[in-house]
Amino acid sequence: RKEVEQDPGPFNVPEGATVAFNCTYSNSASQSFFWYRQDCRKEPKLLMSVYSSGNEDGRFTAQLNRASQYISLLIRDSKLSDSATYLCVVNPPSNYQLIWGAGTKLIIKP
Amino acid sequence: NAGVTQTPKFQVLKTGQSMTLQCAQDMNHNSMYWYRQDPGMGLRLIYYSASEGTTDKGEVPNGYNVSRLNKREFSLRLESAAPSQTSVYFCASSVTGYSNQPQHFGDGTRLSIL
Repeated sequence: RKEVEQDPGPFNVPEGATVAFNCTYSNSASQSFFWYRQDCRKEPKLLMSVYSSGNEDGRFTAQLNRASQYISLLIRDSKLSDSATYLCVVNPPSNYQLIWGAGTKLIIKP
Repeated sequence: NAGVTQTPKFQVLKTGQSMTLQCAQDMNHNSMYWYRQDPGMGLRLIYYSASEGTTDKGEVPNGYNVSRLNKREFSLRLESAAPSQTSVYFCASSVTGYSNQPQHFGDGTRLSIL
């Protein structure tokens, strides 16, 4: 089992719709979680950190489910500009290295 | 407001050639990282430097060396390039080496080894 797994997609979603995708992780002791966004042929950029209580930033909501070992990202009222690959990132507790998922590709269609 | 700057942006090498990828950050971050990104895979850590004067191996260090020249600069060297090293290379930095700190990335170096 990979340490961090994501559905590669692509998710094809009409503009204005709500879309959600999950990321599962294997190390139950993981402490820190992030969602990054990566546009085609660009560098990853931090979208949001994921806190135990869940957090929201505008149209984006991130949740952590420790019991089932997954994090989720919900995007409401999707925009064309949300088209990108979303990378799930997890920190195992024993070192200073982040573990990156391969990403979920999202395509928002007009 | 440069952030993390990588040079070069593109490079084509022949097998066996050597080269150095340069990275500099102007955010006064203590920690710096080198990753490679291959299709269908997550970013994989090659080397990192938790603070000036220290470097450590990541997940895929074979075939690479690094130098933390000063607080700002962290270079990655391929001594004898191999086709398996064809990839996109990203440099990143963070305030500290603790993994709860977000990382900031340069815009990448696309490297092809023929």
